[in-house]
Amino acid sequence: EAGVVQSPRYKIIEKKQPVAFWCNPISGHNTLYWYLQNLGQGPELLIRYENEEAVDDSQLPKDRFSAERLKGVDSTLKIQPAELGDSAVYLCASSPSPAFDEQFFGPGTRLTVL
Amino acid sequence: SQKIEQNSEALNIQEGKTATLTCNYTNYSPAYLQWYRQDPGRGPVFLLLIRENEKEKRKERLKVTFDTTLKQSLFHITASQPADSATYLCALAPTSGTYKYIFGTGTRLKVLA
Repeated sequence: EAGVVQSPRYKIIEKKQPVAFWCNPISGHNTLYWYLQNLGQGPELLIRYENEEAVDDSQLPKDRFSAERLKGVDSTLKIQPAELGDSAVYLCASSPSPAFDEQFFGPGTRLTVL
Repeated sequence: SQKIEQNSEALNIQEGKTATLTCNYTNYSPAYLQWYRQDPGRGPVFLLLIRENEKEKRKERLKVTFDTTLKQSLFHITASQPADSATYLCALAPTSGTYKYIFGTGTRLKVLA
């Protein structure tokens, strides 16, 4: 069974440029999470989807970040415009349901903003 | 304030010994606590979940304890191997029915051959 797929794996952009990350969860997983992980820190939740509905986006900086999961399968996280402080690893995770015991993480996208 | 604390310093132990990692929390009443392993450049991988009404859980060489009075979880790896070297993260769900997991900063474990 394929795991959570993320692309790109690495992205380097200039500040003020837009950037988008894509995530394809494990087939059949209705719950999808986007996390941000800074160096030496644990993941921090940005947004959680149940199917196509964003049920928790309280930590998403909505002035510059947006996310969508139009058909309840794959998802895109966008930053526009990017700032230097956005440099981090962006992790996507999925699970069959929010009450499932574990989250399955993708490899992450490492973003560097210059 | 609400905090989850894990040893920020790396833990070095000799192969074959038992590694013990600590996760302390304040101002939470978690319903669940998870432990994950993370290797450099990769996403976390789930290891174990323990619920508030469970004192201990085991899986192969791994053991997790959960003391809601001390507000602490201990993660043990027995007969440690160099391949166990990684960063170990604890994560908790703040309350029952809340699926917004809060992660600790992780502890880096190095098992010396």
